Amino acid sequence: AQTVTQSQPEMSVQEAETVTLSCTYDTSESNYYLFWYKQPPSRQMILVIRQEAYKQQNATENRFSVNFQKAAKSFSLKISDSQLGDTAMYFCAFQTSYDKVIFGPGTSLSVIP
Amino acid sequence: NAGVTQTPKFQVLKTGQSMTLQCAQDMNHNSMYWYRQDPGMGLRLIYYSASEGTTDKGEVPNGYNVSRLNKREFSLRLESAAPSQTSVYFCASSEALLAGGLPSNEQFFGPGTRLTVL
Repeated sequence: AQTVTQSQPEMSVQEAETVTLSCTYDTSESNYYLFWYKQPPSRQMILVIRQEAYKQQNATENRFSVNFQKAAKSFSLKISDSQLGDTAMYFCAFQTSYDKVIFGPGTSLSVIP
Repeated sequence: NAGVTQTPKFQVLKTGQSMTLQCAQDMNHNSMYWYRQDPGMGLRLIYYSASEGTTDKGEVPNGYNVSRLNKREFSLRLESAAPSQTSVYFCASSEALLAGGLPSNEQFFGPGTRLTVL
């Protein structure tokens, strides 16, 4: 079975500092997508960043970047210059087939002023 | 452009009662999904509909039924609610973005429904 693991249930970071959230997954497929979603206290799920497995270059979106290690099946999210608005649950997600996305259990991130 | 809308936002039911959660999207997406979110477990797929007229079971379908009424609407029904169904329910929609041979299934979520079953 394909699974997504996020080993850090809770994390905190000082405002303006950098934090890295971990994610590992298990699959025998070679072609897939990985996602990080953010869920702030408003409960609205928002896509943060997406990585295609066939691309070696790590995806970046402004202050958000990933470290994708395909052989290790690792997909960590780095948030630079953390802002108070980054306080949220972060979910790692994984897709191999068109119709299904598998989510990890989430990491609760608190940005401390 | 409202995106994905869900009604109601909150609901309290007694054990054995029935109800339908409504979901609609205005992005002309083919695929729609129902998830439940429980503490420490992330989002788990209940049912999905890859296209109008089709529905399939996800990871946790027991106790639920769905209807894909048309391309825009996808409802979730609890026929006889149980306390184990207390959760936050999210509807989502997506459209495949073809790249590298595998569609990218970026999902757009509704605001969620908090359901409590007493």
